[in-house]
Amino acid sequence: AQSVTQLDSQVPVFEEAPVELRCNYSSSVSVYLFWYVQYPNQGLQLLLKYLSGSTLVKGINGFEAEFNKSQTSFHLRKPSVHISDTAEYFCAVSDYSYNTDKLIFGTGTRLQVFP
Amino acid sequence: DTGVSQNPRHKITKRGQNVTFRCDPISEHNRLYWYRQTLGQGPEFLTYFQNEAQLEKSRLLSDRFSAERPKGSFSTLEIQRTEQGDSAMYLCASSLARGYEQFFGPGTRLTVL
Repeated sequence: AQSVTQLDSQVPVFEEAPVELRCNYSSSVSVYLFWYVQYPNQGLQLLLKYLSGSTLVKGINGFEAEFNKSQTSFHLRKPSVHISDTAEYFCAVSDYSYNTDKLIFGTGTRLQVFP
Repeated sequence: DTGVSQNPRHKITKRGQNVTFRCDPISEHNRLYWYRQTLGQGPEFLTYFQNEAQLEKSRLLSDRFSAERPKGSFSTLEIQRTEQGDSAMYLCASSLARGYEQFFGPGTRLTVL
């Protein structure tokens, strides 16, 4: 069964510093990959997605992610974070080879940005 | 606002009671999903519909759980004989079709005492 691993449960970083949130998924031939952000007391919001094509995906709020098939990774990056980026970030995968588009989520990474 | 809406936002109930949650998807979205999120975890898939047809159910969805989408629009999730382990945030999402973005609602937080 498909699974997603987010190794870092918390990532503290100072404002304007770069950040990388790591995501690995179990191997599969055909996957869609997503990053969602969840602000306190709010629903999940899509940051970016990889369906096909270029392995470097750009999303909202200056975030980007790179799909690496050989390493089964989809790490999220931002060159300079803001206080407002403090939130919970979830990586998710959809294994469309099984004719389903349910999302399998990781356990999340809490990004804490300090002034 | 044309986003996904969920009601109620909060529900506190006693163990053994039945509860029902409602989800209104974005209009014209054919697919509707239910997920459950417990503290410190990512959302876990429960079930999804394409129009009124329930296409997949997770093994997490015990016999006490039932979901419907009678006219292919709104959906309800009912939990019978609630248990303390059912305490969680129940999330609803909708999408236009397979492979499209899933838009999430704000969730219904259930607390079973």
